[in-house]
Amino acid sequence: NAGVMQNPRHLVRRRGQEARLRCSPMKGHSHVYWYRQLPEEGLKFMVYLQKENIIDESGMPKERFSAEFPKEGPSILRIQQVVRGDSAAYFCASSPTTLSSGANVLTFGAGSRLTVL
Amino acid sequence: AQSVSQHNHHVILSEAASLELGCNYSYGGTVNLFWYVQYPGQHLQLLLKYFSGDPLVKGIKGFEAEFIKSKFSFNLRKPSVQWSDTAEYFCAVRTGANNLFFGTGTRLTVIP
Repeated sequence: NAGVMQNPRHLVRRRGQEARLRCSPMKGHSHVYWYRQLPEEGLKFMVYLQKENIIDESGMPKERFSAEFPKEGPSILRIQQVVRGDSAAYFCASSPTTLSSGANVLTFGAGSRLTVL
Repeated sequence: AQSVSQHNHHVILSEAASLELGCNYSYGGTVNLFWYVQYPGQHLQLLLKYFSGDPLVKGIKGFEAEFIKSKFSFNLRKPSVQWSDTAEYFCAVRTGANNLFFGTGTRLTVIP
């Protein structure tokens, strides 16, 4: 079991470019969560998705950020027109079902570190 | 709004010293509590969790945590730390929502 796979591990973009971060959940997991870790801060929830559905995007910035989890393929976090303040580590986590059902925990990926020049 | 506080930002200990990292949360209802660890350059790993039952939970690598409901706390402890425990430790709380709220983390440095 390869765990939660994220790529790229490191991404450098110039201001105004687009960043795409990919996350493949653990085998058998159909729930994906994205978190952002800014320097000197904890992880902040961004969005929670199931296959083809956004369930909770209350932590997503209103502009430039979007996420999807298509029927086939990985979940993608897209940041358009990046700015320096987007530089952070972006972590993906997955779970087999909703966290509210039973004793589920999140399994995290290794993260994608975005640097905006 | 829910929040999780970790008051110790950086803790430095010598090997064999005892460890206690504080975690307090603000939420009046039923909670699930977690401690995650992030070793340098690695992903977050679950150390231990509390869902219900015995408020003293044992985790991996000799860690334990105690849920004290009256104090809204879930402090992490280890009687004798090792150099390999150097890492960042995150407390997290799940309330009724389908996500976790994390503290800002505590960086532990263990000196050999």
